[in-house]
Amino acid sequence: EDQVTQSPEALRLQEGESSSLNCSYTVSGLRGLFWYRQDPGKGPEFLFTLYSAGEEKEKERLKATLTKKESFLHITAPKPEDSATYLCAVQERTGSGYSTLTFGKGTMLLVSP
Amino acid sequence: DAGVTQSPTHLIKTRGQHVTLRCSPISGHKSVSWYQQVLGQGPQFIFQYYEKEERGRGNFPDRFSARQFPNYSSELNVNALLLGDSALYLCASSLDNRYTFGSGTRLTVV
Repeated sequence: EDQVTQSPEALRLQEGESSSLNCSYTVSGLRGLFWYRQDPGKGPEFLFTLYSAGEEKEKERLKATLTKKESFLHITAPKPEDSATYLCAVQERTGSGYSTLTFGKGTMLLVSP
Repeated sequence: DAGVTQSPTHLIKTRGQHVTLRCSPISGHKSVSWYQQVLGQGPQFIFQYYEKEERGRGNFPDRFSARQFPNYSSELNVNALLLGDSALYLCASSLDNRYTFGSGTRLTVV
C-alpha cells in the first residue's frame, strides 16, 4: 500500500482558473509534510514544509494546508509559468534518529494561456 | 551560495558496467541523501549519510553503495548495471530538516 497518494495525476488549467492538488498519506506518526515543484529534467525545488494539522503556508499564488490525513496545494489564478510537476513527500517519525522523505508520484500541472 | 552540485549531468553506460555519481552539498550541510527517480514516478530513497556514517538505506540491492567524505561530499556507486537502473539520480543535502536537491544525474543504461 502506498504511503503517499497524489491526485489527480495530471491537471490542465486555463490561465487564471484556480484549483487544488491533493496529497493523502498513511503514516503512523507524521514528522513533516513537504511540497516540491519539479520542472522537466531538473531536481525538485522546495516549496513548503507543514508540521501539524491546521497549519497553512503561502507563497505567491500557492497555499498549502494540512489535515491529519491529507494536504492540499491550492493554486490561485495560475499562470503558464506555474506549469510543472508538484511532488508531495512525508517524513515519518522514527525511533532510530533519522528520517527520510517518502514521495508520491506527483501531479503534472499544465496551465494554458 | 552554491546549491547542491551533482556530476556528471548525463551518463550513458552499458549493461554490466559500473558507475560512480558525485554530489557536493551546500556549504555547512553535513547530511546527504540519494534518491532514484524513474520516469513518471516520485523520487525513491536510496541512502542517507550524516557525518560520514550511513544513517539509512532504502530497499535497493547490494549493487548500490555510497560513501561520504570528510568534506561532506558523497559518491553513489552502482555495480553490474541493469537496464532498469536507468533513471534520474538525485542528491539532497539537508540542514534543520530542510532538504535541498541538486539537478540530478541522468543515467541511461543500454
